[in-house]
Amino acid sequence: AQRVTQPEKLLSVFKGAPVELKCNYSYSGSPELFWYVQYSRQRLQLLLRHISRESIKGFTADLNKGETSFHLKKPFAQEEDSAMYYCALSSGGSNYKLTFGKGTLLTVNP
Amino acid sequence: GEEVAQTPKHLVRGEGQKAKLYCAPIKGHSYVFWYQQVLKNEFKFLISFQNENVFDETGMPKERFSAKCLPNSPCSLEIQATKLEDSAVYFCASSQSIQGSNYGYTFGSGTRLTVV
Repeated sequence: AQRVTQPEKLLSVFKGAPVELKCNYSYSGSPELFWYVQYSRQRLQLLLRHISRESIKGFTADLNKGETSFHLKKPFAQEEDSAMYYCALSSGGSNYKLTFGKGTLLTVNP
Repeated sequence: GEEVAQTPKHLVRGEGQKAKLYCAPIKGHSYVFWYQQVLKNEFKFLISFQNENVFDETGMPKERFSAKCLPNSPCSLEIQATKLEDSAVYFCASSQSIQGSNYGYTFGSGTRLTVV
């Protein structure tokens, strides 16, 4: 069975501070990991995929298979980063379901 | 279009009534997924389609829930005899038919179902 754990329900930082949203997963095979973001009153949007190793809006995430983690990081948080962040795992291609974590609500204070 | 369109945005039903939700995936996307989110908690997978065919229905409460994706029509999720615990936001998502890696989904804005 696959599982995604986001240990922090809430995370609050000040503008300009580094931020790290934690994500751990449980899966026996080779997973594909994602971060999704939901800004206030907007739909869920794809932020990052681990396979593309990209940086979006200053965020990065590295898949650590040894620690089964995919933490999301940003060196300098901005107020507009305030949102709900969901980590998700897929066991296969584009037709496979995603398993989501329960989400972390990030608040960036001025 | 480039958006997954879900209708209606809000739906209120009395306990025991039927509820039907619709989802138009992005044109060209072969895969459609339905998720249920209760009280802003985790997303519970319900069912997925590969074109008109059910691909994975392991999350569907089979007694009262059904879903279809017919050609040239929006996909639908129907709940017969709704219960209070069905109150949730139902999200639809679609993805492209690409071999190999999962490129992630595009989500709709959801339908908020309230059962009273």
